[in-house]
Amino acid sequence: IAGITQAPTSQILAAGRRMTLRCTQDMRHNAMYWYRQDLGLGLRLIHYSNTAGTTGKGEVPDGYSVSRANTDDFPLTLASAVPSQTSVYFCASSSQGTNSPLHFGNGTRLTVT
Amino acid sequence: GQNIDQPTEMTATEGAIVQINCTYQTSGFNGLFWYQQHAGEAPTFLSYNVLDGLEEKGRFSSFLSRSKGYSYLLLKELQMKDSASYLCAVMDSNYQLIWGAGTKLIIKP
Repeated sequence: IAGITQAPTSQILAAGRRMTLRCTQDMRHNAMYWYRQDLGLGLRLIHYSNTAGTTGKGEVPDGYSVSRANTDDFPLTLASAVPSQTSVYFCASSSQGTNSPLHFGNGTRLTVT
Repeated sequence: GQNIDQPTEMTATEGAIVQINCTYQTSGFNGLFWYQQHAGEAPTFLSYNVLDGLEEKGRFSSFLSRSKGYSYLLLKELQMKDSASYLCAVMDSNYQLIWGAGTKLIIKP
């Protein structure tokens, strides 16, 4: 079944530890995104990639890094986790075009203690 | 700054009609999206409006007025499975999506 796969589904992480959230899509979409979702706030863009080999910073990039070595994979790394990074993280992808909707993965629930 | 406003929570009765409003103030406009998100799940696409007027898709319709910075999502013949959060998002002049905090819709039998 075509779509986006995120791993892990949930994780409890000690502050200061490094963590990579994985995201893979099989729809051959050019654009991919990482969002965080916190209670009472809209989805906030962390980083994005318009095509393989390029990445850009979103609204809340500090403390996060991404890479886009190929079309399918877009991992998000927390170099040294802090409690404020406790959130639900969604990876999404879209095809070209301003009216192209985002397709979301099922999310990773991350708790930093 | 850029802002999307939606009611935090609404309650409606099974079988009824509900209208969820969204007002926006953004730097430019390249379309407005509505997404549905069930608790603990990913958002899923419902509708896209870029021109003024009403777009109908089954039990769901979405309306846009660009001059008023206003949209609404209309849900008819409500079913219990429609209990979810509804997210409004506007694409600005830089083709970045600005998201509202979402409206939690509670359906009562």
